[in-house]
Amino acid sequence: GESVGLHLPTLSVQEGDNSIINCAYSNSASDYFIWYKQESGKGPQFIIDIRSNMDKRQGQRVTVLLNKTVKHLSLQIAATQPGDSAVYFCAESLPSEKLVFGKGMKLTVNP
Amino acid sequence: GAVVSQHPSWVICKSGTSVKIECRSLDFQATTMFWYRQFPKQSLMLMATSNEGSKATYEQGVEKDKFLINHASLTLSTLTVTSAHPEDSSFYICSARDRRDRAYEQYFGPGTRLTVT
Repeated sequence: GESVGLHLPTLSVQEGDNSIINCAYSNSASDYFIWYKQESGKGPQFIIDIRSNMDKRQGQRVTVLLNKTVKHLSLQIAATQPGDSAVYFCAESLPSEKLVFGKGMKLTVNP
Repeated sequence: GAVVSQHPSWVICKSGTSVKIECRSLDFQATTMFWYRQFPKQSLMLMATSNEGSKATYEQGVEKDKFLINHASLTLSTLTVTSAHPEDSSFYICSARDRRDRAYEQYFGPGTRLTVT
């Protein structure tokens, strides 16, 4: 099949700034959404999740916003640190309970 | 808690040979395990879903005779890449769902880097 996404979108921020990573999901029937962080050569690491009956959820330094009207998900990272540098993926859980991952965004934090 | 391991972490094999990758849930029982494949700079793509004691369900376009999945126990699933070719070189990641948890939670393994020469 066709290869897509050979160039990951990249977001570069300065240490201490806030970062916002956006994601568009595909299935309006999805009712659970998760953000994962993936460092090079490692498996995905859970960051935060949100159910479709909520529009905002906060964790430690992270906030997820869900806009079901436009099928949009965002991850906000406060006071970004060099250790936050990684690729971030959103994932939606279909009614079949399978996870579908978004294309991902590479976050680079400059000291 | 909720640790998933994979073995090996990386493997190099010759074209035409078969490779087995193990996925274990270390501190919980997993009724369902998932296998994903990830090519460089791309997202994770679900290959198959395996339920303990039953046949795996493969995603469209994934050859079940090439990617053999066995989920013989509640803590172990294996993926065997048969007659591997260079285009099978990829990062293979498994995840497991804790049978006690809410239905959506998946715990991911660290991945296995397969290189076929």
